Amino acid sequence: AQKITQTQPGMFVQEKEAVTLDCTYDTSDQSYGLFWYKQPSSGEMIFLIYQGSYDEQNATEGRYSLNFQKARKSANLVISASQLGDSAMYFCAMREMDSGAGSYQLTFGKGTKLSVIP
Amino acid sequence: GAVVSQHPSWVICKSGTSVKIECRSLDFQATTMFWYRQFPKQSLMLMATSNEGSKATYEQGVEKDKFLINHASLTLSTLTVTSAHPEDSSFYICSALRDRVTYEQYFGPGTRLTVT
Repeated sequence: AQKITQTQPGMFVQEKEAVTLDCTYDTSDQSYGLFWYKQPSSGEMIFLIYQGSYDEQNATEGRYSLNFQKARKSANLVISASQLGDSAMYFCAMREMDSGAGSYQLTFGKGTKLSVIP
Repeated sequence: GAVVSQHPSWVICKSGTSVKIECRSLDFQATTMFWYRQFPKQSLMLMATSNEGSKATYEQGVEKDKFLINHASLTLSTLTVTSAHPEDSSFYICSALRDRVTYEQYFGPGTRLTVT
C-alpha cells in the first residue's frame, strides 16, 4: 500500500481564490511528521509547512495552512489567495519516527500539479 | 535560511562514462544527506542515505556498485553514476539533514543528467 496518496494529478484555481490539495497517509507509527513541498519548473524543492503527529493545532505558514485530520489520516494543504507564482508541483511527504534516531527518511506522494489561472 | 548546493546543475555524458555529482551544505554541517532520483512528471524516489564517515545505506533495488556515494566530510556528499546508460537519465536531488531534533531537511537545486 502506498504510504502517501495524492489523488489529484492536476488542479486549476483562479488567481486570488483558495485551493485545497489533498493528501492521505498510511502509517502504524504513533510518531510521525507530515510535510508539504513545492517544486517549480526549475526543480528545486521548497519546504512549505510541517505538521507533527502530536501537534494539536493545525500548522500555518503565511498563506499556507495544513488541515490535519488525524483520525482520517489526512493532511490537506490549503493555499489561500492563490498567486500566479503558486503554479508548481506540490508534494506531500511523511517521516515515520517510531523506529528512532535513524528514521530521517521522507516518503513522498506522487504530487499534484497546480495551475493558477489569471 | 540554510543552503544546499549541487554541482553540476546539468550534465550530458556519453553512454559508458561516469559522472560525479556533488552536494554541499553551505552554512551548516550535515552528518546525514540523502540522494533522490526523479523521473519526469514523477515523484522523488529515495536512492540512498549518506552518513559522514560510514558507508551509505541504499534503498531496495538501487545498485550500490552503479551509484557510488561518498560522504567524506560534514559538508560534502558525492554521487557517482558509473558506466552510465540512457536509462540513468534523470533528475538527481540531494538533501541535507540539518537538525536531528527538528529533522529539518534542506534540498539542493537538483542535477539533470542526460546520457546519450
